[in-house]
Amino acid sequence: GENVEQHPSTLSVQEGDSAVIKCTYSDSASNYFPWYKQELGKRPQLIIDIRSNVGEKKDQRIAVTLNKTAKHFSLHITETQPEDSAVYFCAASMGGSYIPTFGRGTSLIVHP
Amino acid sequence: GAVVSQHPSRVICKSGTSVKIECRSLDFQATTMFWYRQFPKKSLMLMATSNEGSKATYEQGVEKDKFLINHASLTLSTLTVTSAHPEDSSFYICSAVRTSGRDEQFFGPGTRLTVL
Repeated sequence: GENVEQHPSTLSVQEGDSAVIKCTYSDSASNYFPWYKQELGKRPQLIIDIRSNVGEKKDQRIAVTLNKTAKHFSLHITETQPEDSAVYFCAASMGGSYIPTFGRGTSLIVHP
Repeated sequence: GAVVSQHPSRVICKSGTSVKIECRSLDFQATTMFWYRQFPKKSLMLMATSNEGSKATYEQGVEKDKFLINHASLTLSTLTVTSAHPEDSSFYICSAVRTSGRDEQFFGPGTRLTVL
């Protein structure tokens, strides 16, 4: 089955800095890669996703890149703000009703 | 966006009792719903896949007789924790996949279960 590795487990940055979270996956058939943000005690919220037919996608301060050959994808957050502090999860799936596999999560702490 | 609700949000029960958690997709139909368990500062652990009108598919290591799942309609799945024990205390989250074909999962707000 699919295996998703996520690094780092904890990331501490100063407000205004950029943050990068990286994930690798094992199944070359995976073609859908969502990123979720989860605040303490709340539900995971989809913040951005990318499909295997594109290499990069951007939404304001958030961007995701995908390297299909190397089987890795990354989340980039620019101009970080304290409200960006949360746990971020990457996931990989074959789309449709295929079950996504989640990474172990990255706890992002943005210091004011 | 699509909305998924979960009820109750918090439940405290005595050891040995059963607890039912409901997951509803409020404005879309969901052929497939997932049930996750999350420990503090840990990732989402998939427990089972709930399919409308058929038996749930359980992940390895998850006891199907302890965690009963029923997906009776396209908008409702229930998870019943039977004979709960303190080690079952956890955050349980459901998610639903829209039947219309998009891949996106929509998560419920979670249920905090505490077994005394």
